[in-house]
Amino acid sequence: KAGVTQTPRYLIKTRGQQVTLSCSPISGHRSVSWYQQTPGQGLQFLFEYFSETQRNKGNFPGRFSGRQFSNSRSEMNVSTLELGDSALYLCASSLTGFSTDTQYFGPGTRLTVL
Amino acid sequence: DQQVKQNSPSLSVQEGRISILNCDYTNSMFDYFLWYKKYPAEGPTFLISISSIKDKNEDGRFTVFLNKSAKHLSLHIVPSQPGDSAVYFCAANFGNEKLTFGTGTRLTIIP
Repeated sequence: KAGVTQTPRYLIKTRGQQVTLSCSPISGHRSVSWYQQTPGQGLQFLFEYFSETQRNKGNFPGRFSGRQFSNSRSEMNVSTLELGDSALYLCASSLTGFSTDTQYFGPGTRLTVL
Repeated sequence: DQQVKQNSPSLSVQEGRISILNCDYTNSMFDYFLWYKKYPAEGPTFLISISSIKDKNEDGRFTVFLNKSAKHLSLHIVPSQPGDSAVYFCAANFGNEKLTFGTGTRLTIIP
């Protein structure tokens, strides 16, 4: 079974631009979660989608948004990029998103904002 | 407010010895705890988990202990192997998909 894939793997943007990251979950998984990893803060939860609906959201500004398609693929968008948005963005998929469901992570997208 | 804390940023252990990684949490609502391992340039990989109704869970060389009264969990790796060198994250959730992670501990196994 193919794992979670994320594209692109690396991105360089400038302040004020916007960016869209993509995540393809493991086949059959319907829950996709997004996390931001920075050196000082560790992994922080952004949001989770299940059956095209956002079920849970972390404490991030409205510049961070996402969506999920009918095939469970998910995209994350960050508008008006700031220097502090430079981070590794990870997505994880699971069958149902219940707490006891194992979340499988993709390799991440490294975003650098200049 | 860091609800899940890993107070040791790094740990070095001799190959063959026991590695003990620690994690503290503050939210008593957490009911499920997990450990993930992360290599550079890869996403975290699930290692082992434990429900709040248990105090121990084993899987091969990995054992997780949960002390609810102290709000503390630990991961024991016995025996430690060079391939165990990685960053280890503990995480917790309560009934939903939102994982709250600690900041990680970098484990180095010395041959």
